[in-house]
Order: sequence, then C-alpha cells, then structure tokens
Amino acid sequence: GAVVSQHPSRVICKSGTSVKIECRSLDFQATTMFWYRQFPKQSLMLMATSNEGSKATYEQGVEKDKFLINHASLTLSTLTVTSAHPEDSSFYICSASPLSYEQYFGPGTRLTVT
Amino acid sequence: RKEVEQDPGPFNVPEGATVAFNCTYSNSASQSFFWYRQDCRKEPKLLMSVYSSGNEDGRFTAQLNRASQYISLLIRDSKLSDSATYLCAVNSPGGYQKVTFGTGTKLQVIP
Repeated sequence: GAVVSQHPSRVICKSGTSVKIECRSLDFQATTMFWYRQFPKQSLMLMATSNEGSKATYEQGVEKDKFLINHASLTLSTLTVTSAHPEDSSFYICSASPLSYEQYFGPGTRLTVT
Repeated sequence: RKEVEQDPGPFNVPEGATVAFNCTYSNSASQSFFWYRQDCRKEPKLLMSVYSSGNEDGRFTAQLNRASQYISLLIRDSKLSDSATYLCAVNSPGGYQKVTFGTGTKLQVIP
C-alpha cells in the first residue's frame, strides 16, 4: 500500500516554456501532498504544501506565481513550472501521507531546461 | 541551530559491520520521527518510524532519546545493498503533517 505515482519521470523543455508535473496517490486519499526539489548531492527542499480544495502553502523564498500548484482531488496534485529557466533544472519529488506525518514519495521528475 | 541535523558522512564500513547514525532535532515539541533511505537519483523510501520505546525491523533498530533530542539508526551485519543515503525526518509541530528532513548520512558498505 501507500503508492504514489508521478508523471513524467523525465522532461526536457526549452527555456520560457511551462511544464506540468502530476502526482497521484494510487491506493489512498491524501488531503495533503508535498512538493520538494532536490539538487545533486543536496537534501530535499520543501517547496510547498498542497491542500485539497484550497490554496497551497509555499515555503519562504519559493515563488508561488512561478510554481503553480493545484490539488484538484484527494488523489491528484499538480505542479506547473511556468516560464522555466535553466536554473529551474532539478529533481522534483512529490509526497503524500495516508497517516499522520508518514510520507510516501513519488518516483520524482527530472526536469532539464535548455 | 538547524531544525534537523545529521552528519553527512560518508561512513565507509566493511560488510558485516555494525554502523550507527544519529540525527538531532531542535524542537522539543516534535512527536513523530522517521528514517528514510534514498538511493542515488531516486526518491526517498520510508525505512521505519521511530517510536518512543524504540523499534526494530530485522537488522535495523531505531531509537529515540527525548532528553538529548536525537534519534538513532543502528544497522547490524551491513550488506552491500545497504549502501545509500539515510535521511531522518522530524515533524514540524502545527505544520499540517509537514516534516523536516535532515541532509542525510551517506553509507558505503565495502566488500
């Protein structure tokens, strides 16, 4: 149980375009999902907390207009990187929690902006 | 002081050895603690929750020391397949299921 999928697993896009990443909890409902990014050899950095039916809560320093989060249902959250630039290239990982505080991660999306 | 701190390592140990990692946390109100394992270029996977009484799962033992505000992970009889980065996670009180991750401790088990 507690399976989280993420799509796409890898994406290459041109500078200035937007990229949408989907995160789904497959066998449980998640009122809260989380979006992280991770640079090579660095730790997870929480970007935002995605709440079903309400606005996401962004961490300090994360631009909400650049990283659009939509939590449309109890099993789906999406992250859209708008007007992507090469510095947005990173590993983006979502997580969801079926129980209090235990988080299960999606397999991640490796974004490369050229 | 960081919310959650770990020694980045790397810890290089021979197969069969016992190795232990610690993770300190700053918020004494934290109640939930976890260890995750992350392989290179992969997502973290939940290894075990850490309970007040400690818990054991095969070769892995997790302990909580509230007085000194740290959790530990002990791995016995290390296998080559244990090589990974081990992340601790501590809940952020009042943070809507939010947890804070440490930067991870890298373990390399050597033949």
